[in-house]
Amino acid sequence: QVQLVESGGGLVKPGGSLRLSCAASGFPFGDYYMSWSRQAPGKGLEWISYITSSGSRLYYADSVKGRFTISRDNAKNSLYLQMNSLTAEDTAVYFCAKGYPPEDWGQGAPVTVSS
Amino acid sequence: EVVLTQSPGTLSLSPGERATLSCRASQSLGSAYLAWYQKKPGQPPRLLIYGASGRATGIPDRFSGGGSGTNSTLTISRLEPGDFAVYYCQQYGSTPAWTFGQGTKVEVK
Repeated sequence: QVQLVESGGGLVKPGGSLRLSCAASGFPFGDYYMSWSRQAPGKGLEWISYITSSGSRLYYADSVKGRFTISRDNAKNSLYLQMNSLTAEDTAVYFCAKGYPPEDWGQGAPVTVSS
Repeated sequence: EVVLTQSPGTLSLSPGERATLSCRASQSLGSAYLAWYQKKPGQPPRLLIYGASGRATGIPDRFSGGGSGTNSTLTISRLEPGDFAVYYCQQYGSTPAWTFGQGTKVEVK
């Protein structure tokens, strides 16, 4: 049974940083693309970033390029999202997802950027 | 960047009725790169359709996808109470950057 569990969300001040983690189980993690998407309050889904199975290729939405970094540790079955220079516009629930296209999703980690 | 435009914004229907949702892309996608998701409040997205017409695991056959090029559709043949939700199309792979449409809300009339 596929399980994706996000952690590391919370309240952070504008300009601050946060690192999200996604612990994966129930499937061969190293065989799959992984991605992050988010949903701001009252808004639609927004794709943020994905990483290929080996980690050799990374892609980002323009809204986070240069501020967010996706990474993975296939030995630890874990996906990460390092978020820097956060603004109020980054307030959202962040989802990690498995596959191409994303077929399994975590429950999400809320991130609030506020002073 | 590929922009996806979904229509209508809201669809008001009754259980048992047929729902037809549209997703138009700003450039041709190739049918292999279009997915549809169902999203309910407090829940993660649920993949319904991939490759424009392939049904994801466990998705009932009342959900079907079609179209190619720049126009795609999601059809729900007979709405059940659990189908009232927001639906998003997503393009993946036609360009390095993925994108979602803005969503169509299917509400009870």
